[in-house]
Amino acid sequence: EVQLLESGGGLVQPGGSLRLSCAASGFTLMSWVRQAPGKGLEWVSSISAGGGSGGGTYYPDSVKGRFTISRDNSKSTLYLQMNSLRAEDTAVYYCAGRTGARYWYFDLWGRGTLVTVSS
Amino acid sequence: EIVMTQSPATLSVSPGERATLSCRASQSVSSNLAWYQQKSGQAPRLLIYGASTRATGIPARFSGSGSETEFTLTVSSLQSEDFAVYYCQQYNNWPLTFGGGTKVEIK
Repeated sequence: EVQLLESGGGLVQPGGSLRLSCAASGFTLMSWVRQAPGKGLEWVSSISAGGGSGGGTYYPDSVKGRFTISRDNSKSTLYLQMNSLRAEDTAVYYCAGRTGARYWYFDLWGRGTLVTVSS
Repeated sequence: EIVMTQSPATLSVSPGERATLSCRASQSVSSNLAWYQQKSGQAPRLLIYGASTRATGIPARFSGSGSETEFTLTVSSLQSEDFAVYYCQQYNNWPLTFGGGTKVEIK
């Protein structure tokens, strides 16, 4: 059974950094989506099959310049480097994958990892 | 940015009844619209993509319709396991955006 498994969440102080990982294989397009406590879903970043060097990366303005998505296809792992963290970044972060090569909807989601930004 | 607006915010339905959820886009997204179901404490699950195509393993009681700016998710006969929050998502333009969700609760 294909699965996605996130790790790396935890408590971090405002201004700090954290790197999330997602063990995944077989997905062409990959993304991070977050959900603040009691709130809805918010797209965080996406990366295409080529990875950070050859493929496209995409971010909303809310995280652009602070977050970096990358993938290591040899390790079947997706990453999210989060810098300059703010209280409003507190959320469950889901890894989401798409097996097709087009269209950025999400076939499968991981269980999520909680990131708490607080002093 | 395309704003996705879902209505109603909460829908109270009795088991066995039909539920109709709406999603409106602030500009055309063609048919690049997906629906997800999220149960309490769980990750979202893909139900519908391309506005009307059911994802693998999704029961036939779930159906999607619409195009451009107006979309509908219909659950023909609600089962106990269908009570959850439902989100729409457009993938026609960057940034990808979700609606605020519709909670379907037991009446």
